[in-house]
Amino acid sequence: AQSVTQLGSHVSVSEGALVLLRCNYSSSVPPYLFWYVQYPNQGLQLLLKYTSAATLVKGINGFEAEFKKSETSFHLTKPSAHMSDAAEYFCAVSAARTGGYQKVTFGTGTKLQVIP
Amino acid sequence: NAGVTQTPKFRVLKTGQSMTLLCAQDMNHEYMYWYRQDPGMGLRLIHYSVGEGTTAKGEVPDGYNVSRLKKQNFLLGLESAAPSQTSVYFCASTGGRGAIDNEQFFGPGTRLTVL
Repeated sequence: AQSVTQLGSHVSVSEGALVLLRCNYSSSVPPYLFWYVQYPNQGLQLLLKYTSAATLVKGINGFEAEFKKSETSFHLTKPSAHMSDAAEYFCAVSAARTGGYQKVTFGTGTKLQVIP
Repeated sequence: NAGVTQTPKFRVLKTGQSMTLLCAQDMNHEYMYWYRQDPGMGLRLIHYSVGEGTTAKGEVPDGYNVSRLKKQNFLLGLESAAPSQTSVYFCASTGGRGAIDNEQFFGPGTRLTVL
């Protein structure tokens, strides 16, 4: 079984402040972890993914995430928020290939508001 | 390269009406998925396809049917729409033989309201 929990459905930060979006996962096998971003009225697009090559993963737009096995966490961070970062962010886990397909479980999402 | 496209973008149905949502991808991907997105629930898998001519049920398949007659197209049908099917529907595709570390490419979504 696999699952992800995103703490905080809404997060507000000031422009230029640190962005921290939390994600904890549960998996019975070594997981592959993803962060996707959804801008208003658009589909999801990949920010970054963890595939066991390195615990600190860098993504697009200055975002990065650190895989911590002991804490079962994969939190997303960005040192300085920009207005264009306002969006909804989804953590996802893929740890099984069931029925011949990639089973991905998405979190419930965190909406990031950036205050000027 | 258009990626993944979805038709229509918006639709309003009355209870009991039927409709088909079309998804098309130009990346030659084998795997395609239909998800629904509801507030506070993330994305839930409705149906998926691992190749042309094949389909299978996901987590929430009831009330929906799908077809994959051509590799590039994945259709989602609602035979008799219900208000509980009001949602935003996303199509996604992935290549690389469905490996578990693959990125999924998403369409822009279809916003469906059932009155």
